[in-house]
Amino acid sequence: AQSVTQLDSHVSVSEGTPVLLRCNYSSSYSPSLFWYVQHPNKGLQLLLKYTSAATLVKGINGFEAEFKKSETSFHLTKPSAHMSDAAEYFCVVTYGQNFVFGPGTRLSVLP
Amino acid sequence: NAGVTQTPKFQVLKTGQSMTLQCAQDMNHNSMYWYRQDPGMGLRLIYYSASEGTTDKGEVPNGYNVSRLNKREFSLRLESAAPSQTSVYFCASSPYPLAGGLFSGANVLTFGAGSRLTVL
Repeated sequence: AQSVTQLDSHVSVSEGTPVLLRCNYSSSYSPSLFWYVQHPNKGLQLLLKYTSAATLVKGINGFEAEFKKSETSFHLTKPSAHMSDAAEYFCVVTYGQNFVFGPGTRLSVLP
Repeated sequence: NAGVTQTPKFQVLKTGQSMTLQCAQDMNHNSMYWYRQDPGMGLRLIYYSASEGTTDKGEVPNGYNVSRLNKREFSLRLESAAPSQTSVYFCASSPYPLAGGLFSGANVLTFGAGSRLTVL
């Protein structure tokens, strides 16, 4: 069975400082992994995806994630937070047509 | 492109009332999904449909019915609404199954804007 753990329910950073949102997964198969972002009262938008090509994946708005098979992790990073990054972030694992969502991490960005 | 369109955006119901959430996609996707989102629980799959005429239960199907009317449309019906069904509902679509043996990584979910349902 597949599952996703997001280790922090809430992360707070100051504007201009790095962002790290952690995600660990379990999967019986070679997974595809995604990060989605949800701004307040909005739908979910794809941030980036890992599909077993390069292990370091670049997404929109300066976000990156690194797939580490040995650690079963897919952590999301950004070198410098912006106020507009404040949102809920979801790590997702999929195989075939089934998608499993983590519980989400709420990112707050302080001025 | 509109992508995935859901209606209505907001709805207030009384316990026992029925309603249908509508969803349509214009991306020629094969699979469509209904999720509910509750605080601290991420998104939970209610039902999905891999093709026209087929539907399958997800994690939390009780109290809901779905209909895949055609390739574009996938509706979610609450026959007798309960306060526990107060939630934000999202429709999504994906190209899976993929034609021509395309790499599974192309299977990306595209979401609608959501429907906020309150059951009193």
